[in-house]
Amino acid sequence: ETGVTQTPRHLVMGMTNKKSLKCEQHLGHNAMYWYKQSAKKPLELMFVYNFKEQTENNSVPSRFSPECPNSSHLFLHLHTLQPEDSALYLCASSQDRRNEKLFFGSGTQLSVL
Amino acid sequence: RKEVEQDPGPFNVPEGATVAFNCTYSNSASQSFFWYRQDCRKEPKLLMSVYSSGNEDGRFTAQLNRASQYISLLIRDSKLSDSATYLCVVHNNAGNMLTFGGGTRLMVKP
Repeated sequence: ETGVTQTPRHLVMGMTNKKSLKCEQHLGHNAMYWYKQSAKKPLELMFVYNFKEQTENNSVPSRFSPECPNSSHLFLHLHTLQPEDSALYLCASSQDRRNEKLFFGSGTQLSVL
Repeated sequence: RKEVEQDPGPFNVPEGATVAFNCTYSNSASQSFFWYRQDCRKEPKLLMSVYSSGNEDGRFTAQLNRASQYISLLIRDSKLSDSATYLCVVHNNAGNMLTFGGGTRLMVKP
């Protein structure tokens, strides 16, 4: 059983909708991440939070807005997305930003119509 | 040139076969290396770290060649359950960045 829980598992939204992805980790980790996995492409790092502070924004468009209220929870707020944003969005955590071993949630498969 | 490059496959092998994947990386400052496994429609999971001296975990052996900048994963006595995509991951300590390869898909047939 994974220590990182993501909801929802699947999401279909229109380009004018606003939705949020949720991630919770039960591992006592201090770093949390959002990754995007598109078909036939490597995982792309989107955002990194270390001890609740955002330490990286990998040139992600502003239609993706992360929020980290505490070390256990991470959100990704979505608004006015484009069809090319359809992908698997994976949350991950690690002990802290220096620790390279990631634990992933099961992801949210997002389809933008 | 991609930072981390893998043959996407698929590698189709019979049960019991030995199969090996290579992964090349472009940043010579890379310090840590990992293999992750990702099943279809599932999340990646850490399979094993790769150490300079090489390391073995059951049927899996990982090796690092710093001079040629590649890492390898060898799977002996393949099982049907080994069918998955294997992701090569490289960590650059200087930038504290993990870079994922595109993955190599393995299909083990009965």
